[in-house]
Amino acid sequence: DQQVKQNSPSLSVQEGRISILNCDYTNSMFDYFLWYKKYPAEGPTFLISISSIKDKNEDGRFTVFLNKSAKHLSLHIVPSQPGDSAVYFCAAISTGTASKLTFGTGTRLQVTL
Amino acid sequence: GAGVSQTPSNKVTEKGKYVELRCDPISGHTALYWYRQSLGQGPEFLIYFQGTGAADDSGLPNDRFFAVRPEGSVSTLKIQRTERGDSAVYLCASSLDGRDTDTQYFGPGTRLTVL
Repeated sequence: DQQVKQNSPSLSVQEGRISILNCDYTNSMFDYFLWYKKYPAEGPTFLISISSIKDKNEDGRFTVFLNKSAKHLSLHIVPSQPGDSAVYFCAAISTGTASKLTFGTGTRLQVTL
Repeated sequence: GAGVSQTPSNKVTEKGKYVELRCDPISGHTALYWYRQSLGQGPEFLIYFQGTGAADDSGLPNDRFFAVRPEGSVSTLKIQRTERGDSAVYLCASSLDGRDTDTQYFGPGTRLTVL
């Protein structure tokens, strides 16, 4: 039972344009959400997070939006750069019960020149 | 100023053998996590240590899997009687205090192949 879903396995975007990566979750106990970025042969690297008490969090070129009623979050990268090409994982935590991360299956982003 | 390190980076073994995977967390981090990433999947939680004790081992798939962290620093994941289905990348992460919103920093992983 996949509690965190990333339905797009891959995405290709031109350099300078906006990349939008989507994530859906089913567990209503999740209240803290994160995006991790992974390059080949490396471990995932934390990118940005959002608490369920917010609907938006911004950090430089990266913005995460949370729609609790729809159980949906998205990561916006603007402008996209070739170095952003990686696999992006959405993850969720149910705070107060466990600090383990539940990950989605990932979306491979390719930023083309 | 090293990050999380894991050894070996690759391990090939035969079905039925015993393997040990090692994780060195970031110095001073009290929380340590093990995850497993199978091909085409996201990382899946295995076990979480707070200090020396396993605070949550609900993700261990069966009793062939065991992990220890005897001194509250280095951790070893042990897999007995390996099966082909155990082939995956085993990721270790650490965080400062283990609070829910603490950032988990991941190592590069150990790729285990069971022939």
